[in-house]
Amino acid sequence: QVHLVESGGGVVQPGRSLRLSCTPSGFIFSNYAMNWVRQVPGKGLEWVVVISFDGTNQHYGDSVKGRFTISRDNSNNTLYLQMNSLRVDDSGVYYCARALEMAINDAFDLWGQGTLVTVSS
Amino acid sequence: IVLTQSPGTLSVSPGESATLSCRASQRVGSAYIAWYQFRPGQAPRLLLDGTFRRAAGIPDKFSGGVSGSEFTLTISRLEPEDFAVYYCHQYGTPPYTFGQGTPLEIK
Repeated sequence: QVHLVESGGGVVQPGRSLRLSCTPSGFIFSNYAMNWVRQVPGKGLEWVVVISFDGTNQHYGDSVKGRFTISRDNSNNTLYLQMNSLRVDDSGVYYCARALEMAINDAFDLWGQGTLVTVSS
Repeated sequence: IVLTQSPGTLSVSPGESATLSCRASQRVGSAYIAWYQFRPGQAPRLLLDGTFRRAAGIPDKFSGGVSGSEFTLTISRLEPEDFAVYYCHQYGTPPYTFGQGTPLEIK
Protein backbone atom coordinates (compact mmCIF):
# COMPACT_ATOMS: atom_id res chain seq x y z
CA GLN A 1 0.00 0.00 0.00
CA VAL A 2 1.04 3.57 -0.64
CA HIS A 3 1.83 5.46 2.55
CA LEU A 4 3.74 8.33 4.09
CA VAL A 5 4.59 8.19 7.79
CA GLU A 6 5.93 11.21 9.65
CA SER A 7 7.92 10.98 12.87
CA GLY A 8 10.06 13.13 15.13
CA GLY A 9 7.48 15.49 16.53
CA GLY A 10 7.35 16.40 20.19
CA VAL A 11 7.59 19.19 22.73
CA VAL A 12 10.56 21.52 22.47
CA GLN A 13 11.53 24.83 24.02
CA PRO A 14 11.70 28.03 21.97
CA GLY A 15 15.07 28.46 20.30
CA ARG A 16 15.80 24.73 20.20
CA SER A 17 15.89 22.37 17.25
CA LEU A 18 13.94 19.37 16.06
CA ARG A 19 14.25 17.08 13.06
CA LEU A 20 11.22 15.52 11.43
CA SER A 21 11.35 12.48 9.18
CA CYS A 22 8.96 11.14 6.59
CA THR A 23 9.15 7.53 5.46
CA PRO A 24 7.40 6.51 2.26
CA SER A 25 6.22 3.08 1.22
CA GLY A 26 4.60 1.55 -1.81
CA PHE A 27 6.07 3.85 -4.45
CA ILE A 28 9.38 4.95 -5.95
CA PHE A 29 10.30 7.80 -3.64
CA SER A 30 13.04 9.19 -5.90
CA ASN A 31 10.50 9.92 -8.65
CA TYR A 32 8.58 12.56 -6.74
CA ALA A 33 9.00 16.06 -5.40
CA MET A 34 8.03 16.25 -1.74
CA ASN A 35 6.57 18.93 0.50
CA TRP A 36 6.06 19.76 4.15
CA VAL A 37 2.81 21.44 5.15
CA ARG A 38 1.77 22.45 8.66
CA GLN A 39 -1.57 23.01 10.30
CA VAL A 40 -1.80 25.26 13.30
CA PRO A 41 -4.49 24.19 15.78
CA GLY A 42 -7.66 26.15 15.11
CA LYS A 43 -6.14 27.75 12.04
CA GLY A 44 -5.57 26.72 8.48
CA LEU A 45 -2.86 25.15 6.45
CA GLU A 46 0.53 26.64 5.72
CA TRP A 47 2.82 25.30 3.06
CA VAL A 48 6.35 25.12 4.48
CA VAL A 49 8.78 23.86 1.85
CA VAL A 50 9.19 21.74 -1.29
CA ILE A 51 12.15 19.72 -2.56
CA SER A 52 12.63 18.38 -6.06
CA PHE A 53 12.74 14.66 -6.77
CA ASP A 54 16.56 14.68 -6.83
CA GLY A 55 17.08 17.16 -4.00
CA THR A 56 18.73 19.81 -6.14
CA ASN A 57 15.97 22.39 -5.91
CA GLN A 58 14.09 23.70 -2.86
CA HIS A 59 11.69 26.52 -2.14
CA TYR A 60 10.80 27.74 1.35
CA GLY A 61 7.93 29.65 2.83
CA ASP A 62 8.88 33.09 4.10
CA SER A 63 8.16 32.27 7.75
CA VAL A 64 10.72 29.44 7.87
CA LYS A 65 13.38 30.65 5.45
CA GLY A 66 16.81 30.58 7.06
CA ARG A 67 15.62 28.44 10.00
CA PHE A 68 14.32 25.24 8.40
CA THR A 69 16.14 22.95 5.99
CA ILE A 70 14.57 20.24 3.89
CA SER A 71 16.61 17.32 2.62
CA ARG A 72 16.08 13.84 1.29
CA ASP A 73 17.99 10.57 1.15
CA ASN A 74 16.73 8.73 -1.90
CA SER A 75 18.94 5.73 -1.24
CA ASN A 76 17.34 5.27 2.18
CA ASN A 77 13.87 6.51 1.18
CA THR A 78 13.55 9.25 3.76
CA LEU A 79 12.54 12.90 3.73
CA TYR A 80 13.75 15.23 6.48
CA LEU A 81 12.89 18.61 7.88
CA GLN A 82 15.53 20.16 10.13
CA MET A 83 13.91 22.88 12.20
CA ASN A 84 16.20 25.29 14.04
CA SER A 85 15.53 28.37 16.15
CA LEU A 86 12.02 27.17 16.78
CA ARG A 87 9.37 29.68 17.79
CA VAL A 88 6.06 29.26 19.57
CA ASP A 89 4.22 29.96 16.32
CA ASP A 90 5.96 27.00 14.66
CA SER A 91 3.70 24.72 16.71
CA GLY A 92 1.30 22.58 14.76
CA VAL A 93 0.78 19.32 12.94
CA TYR A 94 3.40 18.79 10.27
CA TYR A 95 2.46 16.76 7.22
CA CYS A 96 4.69 15.46 4.51
CA ALA A 97 2.99 15.40 1.15
CA ARG A 98 3.93 13.98 -2.22
CA ALA A 99 3.67 16.02 -5.40
CA LEU A 100 1.36 14.41 -7.92
CA GLU A 101 4.01 14.06 -10.60
CA MET A 102 7.71 14.76 -10.93
CA ALA A 103 7.30 18.54 -11.24
CA ILE A 104 8.18 20.62 -8.21
CA ASN A 105 4.96 22.60 -8.57
CA ASP A 106 2.15 20.13 -8.48
CA ALA A 107 -0.82 19.22 -6.33
CA PHE A 108 -0.25 16.97 -3.32
CA ASP A 109 -1.75 13.59 -4.03
CA LEU A 110 -0.51 11.68 -0.99
CA TRP A 111 -0.33 12.92 2.59
CA GLY A 112 0.81 11.38 5.82
CA GLN A 113 -1.17 11.46 9.05
CA GLY A 114 1.03 14.20 10.45
CA THR A 115 3.28 14.62 13.47
CA LEU A 116 2.62 17.16 16.21
CA VAL A 117 5.23 19.76 17.09
CA THR A 118 4.72 21.85 20.21
CA VAL A 119 7.08 24.71 20.92
CA SER A 120 6.62 25.86 24.49
CA SER A 121 8.66 26.93 27.44
CA ILE B 1 -1.18 34.84 -3.45
CA VAL B 2 -3.99 34.91 -0.88
CA LEU B 3 -6.84 32.47 -1.33
CA THR B 4 -10.11 33.42 0.36
CA GLN B 5 -12.68 30.70 0.78
CA SER B 6 -16.37 31.23 1.31
CA PRO B 7 -18.66 30.71 3.01
CA GLY B 8 -17.03 30.47 6.41
CA THR B 9 -19.15 27.42 7.15
CA LEU B 10 -21.70 25.67 4.96
CA SER B 11 -24.64 23.72 6.35
CA VAL B 12 -26.38 21.41 3.88
CA SER B 13 -28.73 18.47 4.15
CA PRO B 14 -27.68 15.00 2.98
CA GLY B 15 -28.73 14.34 -0.58
CA GLU B 16 -28.41 17.97 -1.60
CA SER B 17 -25.54 19.74 -3.34
CA ALA B 18 -22.94 22.16 -1.99
CA THR B 19 -20.81 24.71 -3.79
CA LEU B 20 -17.67 26.06 -2.14
CA SER B 21 -15.83 29.11 -3.39
CA CYS B 22 -12.15 30.07 -3.46
CA ARG B 23 -11.10 33.52 -4.67
CA ALA B 24 -7.49 34.36 -5.52
CA SER B 25 -5.96 37.77 -4.78
CA GLN B 26 -3.87 37.57 -7.96
CA ARG B 27 -4.18 35.76 -11.21
CA VAL B 28 -3.65 32.00 -10.86
CA GLY B 29 -3.69 29.73 -13.84
CA SER B 30 -6.42 27.15 -13.61
CA ALA B 31 -3.74 24.51 -14.06
CA TYR B 32 -2.50 25.28 -10.56
CA ILE B 33 -5.54 25.03 -8.31
CA ALA B 34 -6.36 21.97 -6.22
CA TRP B 35 -8.98 21.03 -3.66
CA TYR B 36 -8.51 18.77 -0.63
CA GLN B 37 -10.78 17.08 1.87
CA PHE B 38 -9.79 16.89 5.53
CA ARG B 39 -11.61 14.46 7.82
CA PRO B 40 -10.70 13.89 11.49
CA GLY B 41 -8.35 10.99 12.02
CA GLN B 42 -7.64 10.52 8.33
CA ALA B 43 -4.88 11.62 6.01
CA PRO B 44 -5.93 14.56 3.83
CA ARG B 45 -7.24 13.61 0.43
CA LEU B 46 -6.68 15.27 -2.93
CA LEU B 47 -9.98 15.72 -4.76
CA LEU B 48 -9.19 17.85 -7.79
CA ASP B 49 -6.07 19.26 -9.41
CA GLY B 50 -5.81 21.63 -12.35
CA THR B 51 -9.18 23.03 -11.22
CA PHE B 52 -11.16 20.33 -13.01
CA ARG B 53 -9.32 17.00 -12.94
CA ARG B 54 -10.50 14.47 -10.40
CA ALA B 55 -7.79 12.59 -8.57
CA ALA B 56 -7.60 8.82 -8.75
CA GLY B 57 -10.61 7.19 -7.13
CA ILE B 58 -12.60 10.41 -6.69
CA PRO B 59 -16.22 10.00 -7.82
CA ASP B 60 -17.80 12.32 -10.36
CA LYS B 61 -20.00 13.86 -7.70
CA PHE B 62 -17.02 16.15 -7.10
CA SER B 63 -16.53 18.78 -9.79
CA GLY B 64 -14.55 21.96 -10.22
CA GLY B 65 -15.17 25.24 -11.96
CA VAL B 66 -13.72 28.68 -12.48
CA SER B 67 -15.01 32.11 -13.32
CA GLY B 68 -12.39 34.82 -13.44
CA SER B 69 -10.44 34.60 -10.20
CA GLU B 70 -13.10 32.53 -8.42
CA PHE B 71 -12.65 28.79 -8.29
CA THR B 72 -15.42 26.49 -7.13
CA LEU B 73 -15.82 22.98 -5.82
CA THR B 74 -19.28 21.45 -6.19
CA ILE B 75 -20.26 18.29 -4.36
CA SER B 76 -23.53 16.72 -5.41
CA ARG B 77 -25.66 14.09 -3.70
CA LEU B 78 -24.07 14.72 -0.29
CA GLU B 79 -23.46 11.64 1.83
CA PRO B 80 -22.44 11.49 5.50
CA GLU B 81 -18.76 10.95 4.66
CA ASP B 82 -18.69 14.17 2.61
CA PHE B 83 -19.12 16.35 5.67
CA ALA B 84 -15.59 17.52 6.29
CA VAL B 85 -13.34 20.57 5.87
CA TYR B 86 -12.35 21.53 2.33
CA TYR B 87 -9.30 23.54 1.34
CA CYS B 88 -8.30 25.09 -1.95
CA HIS B 89 -4.62 25.35 -2.82
CA GLN B 90 -2.53 27.18 -5.40
CA TYR B 91 0.76 25.63 -6.46
CA GLY B 92 1.67 27.77 -9.43
CA THR B 93 4.35 29.92 -7.84
CA PRO B 94 6.10 29.54 -4.48
CA PRO B 95 5.17 30.32 -1.80
CA TYR B 96 2.28 27.96 -2.41
CA THR B 97 -0.79 28.89 -0.42
CA PHE B 98 -4.02 27.43 0.91
CA GLY B 99 -7.38 28.93 1.59
CA GLN B 100 -8.50 29.08 5.21
CA GLY B 101 -10.87 26.14 4.71
CA THR B 102 -14.63 25.73 4.57
CA PRO B 103 -16.26 23.29 7.00
CA LEU B 104 -19.18 21.50 5.40
CA GLU B 105 -21.68 20.55 8.10
CA ILE B 106 -24.81 18.47 8.20
CA LYS B 107 -27.92 20.62 8.36
